[in-house]
Amino acid sequence: GDSVTQMEGPVTLSEEAFLTINCTYTATGYPSLFWYVQYPGEGLQLLLKATKADDKGSNKGFEATYRKETTSFHLEKGSVQVSDSAVYFCALVYNFNKFYFGSGTKLNVKP
Amino acid sequence: NAGVTQTPKFQVLKTGQSMTLQCAQDMNHEYMSWYRQDPGMGLRLIHYSVGAGITDQGEVPNGYNVSRSTTEDFPLRLLSAAPSQTSVYFCASSYTQGNSYEQYFGPGTRLTVT
Repeated sequence: GDSVTQMEGPVTLSEEAFLTINCTYTATGYPSLFWYVQYPGEGLQLLLKATKADDKGSNKGFEATYRKETTSFHLEKGSVQVSDSAVYFCALVYNFNKFYFGSGTKLNVKP
Repeated sequence: NAGVTQTPKFQVLKTGQSMTLQCAQDMNHEYMSWYRQDPGMGLRLIHYSVGAGITDQGEVPNGYNVSRSTTEDFPLRLLSAAPSQTSVYFCASSYTQGNSYEQYFGPGTRLTVT
């Protein structure tokens, strides 16, 4: 079945460090891929998305490229800030708007 | 435009009690879903709806019922609460445009069952 696997957290970085959060997926079709962010006490917010192979989604300095050959959608940011501290979820969808989420990766950024 | 709203924000139930979590959206989206979020397990789909009058089960439907009488509302009913249903519940609405999907989440309901 369809599933998403994320690297386990928490990930702790110093401000201005480079961030990578790994995400791989299993799907029988050709899904759209997403990264969502959840700040403490809030719901999930869409961070970026990619709808087909080789697409790059980007937003607020975050990027992720849809790699069909490696079934991956790793999240990257060149220089993290304290305000980026949150939980990040990778997700896929391709059928009837049924989203499948990874388990989430908590990011802590220290000043 | 309020987006997706959920009530209540917090709820404590005793084992065996029933209750309904409310969810409403004002974006005229066809699709609505309920998820539960548990530590270390991400979000798991409970039930979803592809339009008024149409619902289907997700990954973890047992112990929950849904109905969709209008496009706007998608309540989730706990029939007989159990401690295993202690979780944070998120409602979401979404739409499809070509190959593009957008999903919007409510703020969540934190439920504790004692």
